[in-house]
Amino acid sequence: AQSVAQPEDQVNVAEGNPLTVKCTYSVSGNPYLFWYVQYPNRGLQFLLKYITGDNLVKGSYGFEAEFNKSQTSFHLKKPSALVSDSALYFCAVGEIYNQGGKLIFGQGTELSVKP
Amino acid sequence: DTAVSQTPKYLVTQMGNDKSIKCEQNLGHDTMYWYKQDSKKFLKIMFSYNNKELIINETVPNRFSPKSPDKAHLNLHINSLELGDSAVYFCASSQLWQSYNEQFFGPGTRLTVL
Repeated sequence: AQSVAQPEDQVNVAEGNPLTVKCTYSVSGNPYLFWYVQYPNRGLQFLLKYITGDNLVKGSYGFEAEFNKSQTSFHLKKPSALVSDSALYFCAVGEIYNQGGKLIFGQGTELSVKP
Repeated sequence: DTAVSQTPKYLVTQMGNDKSIKCEQNLGHDTMYWYKQDSKKFLKIMFSYNNKELIINETVPNRFSPKSPDKAHLNLHINSLELGDSAVYFCASSQLWQSYNEQFFGPGTRLTVL
């Protein structure tokens, strides 16, 4: 079975500093990897995905993620954090299941950016 | 202009009652989903429909019955509500069913069973 793990429950960053939210995956075959963000009392918003091609994927709001096959990682990064980036971040892997596709989510990482 | 909408936003009810949550998407997508987010924020898929047909049923109790009257709507009916059903339920949609398609989520319905 496919899975993703987010080893940090919480990440604290000062505004203006670079941020990294970690994700590792375990899949058979080629992975489809996603990052989503959830603001308080809101639904999830898609940030970016990796299917194939360039290992560095750029997404919404200045976020990017690097696919690393040898380390089975897909860490989310941003060069300069904003207070408004504070939210819950989910890594997910897409899995084919009984002729359907589904997302399997990590546990989530709470990002807190302080001024 | 809301892409994926859900009603109601909040639902408070007694154990044993039956309730429904409605979802609509105006993105023209073929595939819709229901997810459950528990109190620890863990997200898990419950159901997936493609063109009104059920394609994923993730070992959810029979008390939960989804219905898709058309491609744009996916409703969730829950019978005999239990305390453990308290959670936030998210509807989502994607253009196609394949797992490389990103999903667009609704705002969620917070269900509280007393």
